[in-house]
Amino acid sequence: NAGVTQTPKFRILKIGQSMTLQCTQDMNHNYMYWYRQDPGMGLKLIYYSVGAGITDKGEVPNGYNVSRSTTEDFPLRLELAAPSQTSVYFCASGPGTVYEQYFGPGTRLTVT
Amino acid sequence: AQTVTQSQPEMSVQEAETVTLSCTYDTSESDYYLFWYKQPPSRQMILVIRQEAYKQQNATENRFSVNFQKAAKSFSLKISDSQLGDAAMYFCAYRSARMGGATNKLIFGTGTLLAVQP
Repeated sequence: NAGVTQTPKFRILKIGQSMTLQCTQDMNHNYMYWYRQDPGMGLKLIYYSVGAGITDKGEVPNGYNVSRSTTEDFPLRLELAAPSQTSVYFCASGPGTVYEQYFGPGTRLTVT
Repeated sequence: AQTVTQSQPEMSVQEAETVTLSCTYDTSESDYYLFWYKQPPSRQMILVIRQEAYKQQNATENRFSVNFQKAAKSFSLKISDSQLGDAAMYFCAYRSARMGGATNKLIFGTGTLLAVQP
């Protein structure tokens, strides 16, 4: 199993540009999450999904959108990039019960 | 709302020695899970150890063990026989045991950067 994969690993965007961060998991997990990690901080939840077709906002959803058309994929969309969105983005998945979440390797995004 | 606090931004330990990383949390729930995650320079988040709040016995995983004090809302990580590969950022995290949606999210502390001196 590849686990949770994320692409790209690094990206530089100009202010106002758009992009999609890809996330795929092959563990058949129902729950998927997007977190962001700002310098010197822990991770904060952006959006989450409890299954295909179901998504909801986390703590810091402004400026982002998600979709979940399949169990495997959970892309995160930035529509109008802003410097405040400079961060490391982690995707995670889990079976949604007592077990821990499994994280992807992260995407480092810089908006200038 | 639940919060997680790690009061030690940085710690240092000599190779083969023991170090303890502190974590406190605040919650009104009685059932929850606590985790320690390791984040090396590669940025990958790696689960180190997990503790269920309903279990009184402290969790252990090889050289890693926790001191879970539920009444004090304290969850410290002890690393024994420290190795150079233990150098990383360590995050304490809380998760509610209630089912569904955002309650499954992890709430993270700000992390402790551990340096291991040869």
